[in-house]
Amino acid sequence: QLQLQESGPGLVKPSETLSLNCGVSGGSITSRGYYWAWIRQPPGKGLEWIASFYYSGSTYYNPSLESRVTISGDTSKNQVSLELNSVTAADTAVYYCAGTDYNAFQYGLAVWGQGTTITVSS
Amino acid sequence: EIVLTQSPGTLSLSPGERATLSCRTSLSVSSKYLTWYQQKPGQAPRLLLYGASSRATGIPDRFSGSGSGADFTLTISRLEPEDFAVYYCQHYGNSPRYSFGQGTKLEIK
Repeated sequence: QLQLQESGPGLVKPSETLSLNCGVSGGSITSRGYYWAWIRQPPGKGLEWIASFYYSGSTYYNPSLESRVTISGDTSKNQVSLELNSVTAADTAVYYCAGTDYNAFQYGLAVWGQGTTITVSS
Repeated sequence: EIVLTQSPGTLSLSPGERATLSCRTSLSVSSKYLTWYQQKPGQAPRLLLYGASSRATGIPDRFSGSGSGADFTLTISRLEPEDFAVYYCQHYGNSPRYSFGQGTKLEIK
């Protein structure tokens, strides 16, 4: 059974780079048909897609964040990582890693991590 | 960019009642790209329906989805206490890949 576990620093200073990891167990990040996403949720607000990494290595970014974001996959660690640079208070949110098997759930994100809370503050 | 508008913002109902939640897209979309999630406080979202109407693993059959074009509906036939939560619709597209509605809060009346 696919499980995801996010890890992150908790607190980041303004203008610094936020680095997050999503450890994947129960499946390989490069298994055919699998794709992964980072999604965030500011306090009391809705969901915002940040970026996606596909099993093929393809990456996709939210145009509103694209200039500051990099998503990557590490097959040796079986994890998907996110870097967000030049953070501001507006980047304070719960960051979720999510994934799915297209062959089972098409475009629905079936598996989510528990989320990691990131606060941007000096 | 396709914008998703959910209504109502808040829906107040009692257990046992029927809930109807709406998601409208700013352009006509294929139903295969329309997804619904449930989120409870302090928890990650949970996939309910994909392809507008296909239930995800373990989702009770009181949850159903319908719609086409630009109008989609999530229906909960008979509300259970555990169904009170926030519901999001989501569209998978070209850019951005994922767009979410602003959510409908289903609260106990």
